[in-house]
Amino acid sequence: GAVVSQHPSWVICKSGTSVKIECRSLDFQATTMFWYRQFPKQSLMLMATSNEGSKATYEQGVEKDKFLINHASLTLSTLTVTSAHPEDSSFYICSARKQSSGNTIYFGEGSWLTVV
Amino acid sequence: GDSVTQMEGPVTLSEEAFLTINCTYTATGYPSLFWYVQYPGEGLQLLLKATKADDKGSNKGFEATYRKETTSFHLEKGSVQVSDSAVYFCALSEDKLVFGAGTILRVKS
Repeated sequence: GAVVSQHPSWVICKSGTSVKIECRSLDFQATTMFWYRQFPKQSLMLMATSNEGSKATYEQGVEKDKFLINHASLTLSTLTVTSAHPEDSSFYICSARKQSSGNTIYFGEGSWLTVV
Repeated sequence: GDSVTQMEGPVTLSEEAFLTINCTYTATGYPSLFWYVQYPGEGLQLLLKATKADDKGSNKGFEATYRKETTSFHLEKGSVQVSDSAVYFCALSEDKLVFGAGTILRVKS
């Protein structure tokens, strides 16, 4: 099946710093990628839809200036958590839509962010 | 808007028992339906999908049938194993993926 890779898998950062998470589609081009956040024992919350070559579409309640999304190429989207705070600690998951496979969405492995 | 409702867990079964996890949806159009599985500490994996009414998705002994008349996509497995213990998410997609709350499955030996 299609492969979507996230990096890093684990990251610890200090409060006030920024951290970048990468999402790559390894064997297909993805014009659309999605970023989710998952709190412990809860479902996935869609944060934003990342569109290649254009601005991301953010869900209601998600701060676009805090969660910067860049989709610079057909295989890479990045999520930057700016001025991170402990409440930003969470599991962040990206996914990519594979159009050639009936628009099936494939997920990355997820990235654990801990802000200390 | 679109939504997915799953049965609440946790669901606890003995090995080789029959599994059903209910999922119903609300959508304005004709969505594709999915089941994803999340093993402890891991990301999500696509388990199976169905793209139109009466389609049956199946994988690893799991199956689910897209029922338009009842707007349901219940997940079933005839004989569960301990290794099936995970969180199962039902989801639909018209434009973006919308998830249910997830159902924890615990299988004991």
